[in-house]
Amino acid sequence: DTEVTQTPKHLVMGMTNKKSLKCEQHMGHRAMYWYKQKAKKPPELMFVYSYEKLSINESVPSRFSPECPNSSLLNLHLHALQPEDSALYLCASSPRQGPTGGVSDTQYFGPGTRLTVL
Amino acid sequence: SQQGEEDPQALSIQEGENATMNCSYKTSINNLQWYRQNSGRGLVHLILIRSNEREKHSGRLRVTLDTSKKSSSLLITASRAADTASYFCATDKGAQKLVFGQGTRLTINP
Repeated sequence: DTEVTQTPKHLVMGMTNKKSLKCEQHMGHRAMYWYKQKAKKPPELMFVYSYEKLSINESVPSRFSPECPNSSLLNLHLHALQPEDSALYLCASSPRQGPTGGVSDTQYFGPGTRLTVL
Repeated sequence: SQQGEEDPQALSIQEGENATMNCSYKTSINNLQWYRQNSGRGLVHLILIRSNEREKHSGRLRVTLDTSKKSSSLLITASRAADTASYFCATDKGAQKLVFGQGTRLTINP
C-alpha cells in the first residue's frame, strides 16, 4: 500500500467551529507532514512529526493544532479559523525525516482536504 | 522563505513537443526533487537528483543540475495531454525539510 489518505476531501466551516483533518498511511513511514497550499502557490510547510514527536512547527498560529496518535495517523485540529485560512491542506509522509546518508527521502502526498472558512 | 524560483511561470505547448522548465535556488543543497501536481490534487514525486549528480533520466523525463549556477532543469519529451499539470522543484538544504519553488503551470494542447 503506497497511498496516503486524507479525510474529508472537502470541509466548510464557520469561524467558531471546531473540526479535524485526518491523514493515514500504512507504508511504515516514520515522518509525517502538514502543508498548506493557496491557489497557484507552492505548498508551505506547517508541521513535521518524526517518530510521533513534533520536530518542526513553522510558526503556525495556535488555532491549528497537530496531533500524531500513532505512527500511521496524523490529525490537524482546527479551531476559530479565519477566512484567510481557506486553502488546500496536504498531508505527506516519508520513510524518515532525513537526511539519511546525505539524501532526503521522497515525500508521498495525500490528495488533500479543500478547506473553506466562512 | 521560498528557496526555489521557477521559470517560466506558465508554459503552453502542442502535444508531442518537448517541455523545459527551469528552477533556480539560492543556497547550497543536498539534493533537488521535482514533483507534479494535477489541478487541486496532491503532489506526485517525479525524480530526485543529488548534489553530486549532473543529469538523471526517468522515462520521458530528463533532469539536469548545475550546482555552480544553482539551477536545475526538467525536460519532458514527447509531451502528452496527461502531462498537463503544475511542476514544482523542491530543495533540501539538510534542514530536514523541503522548500518548494513557485512552480510552472504546463498546458499540453491536443
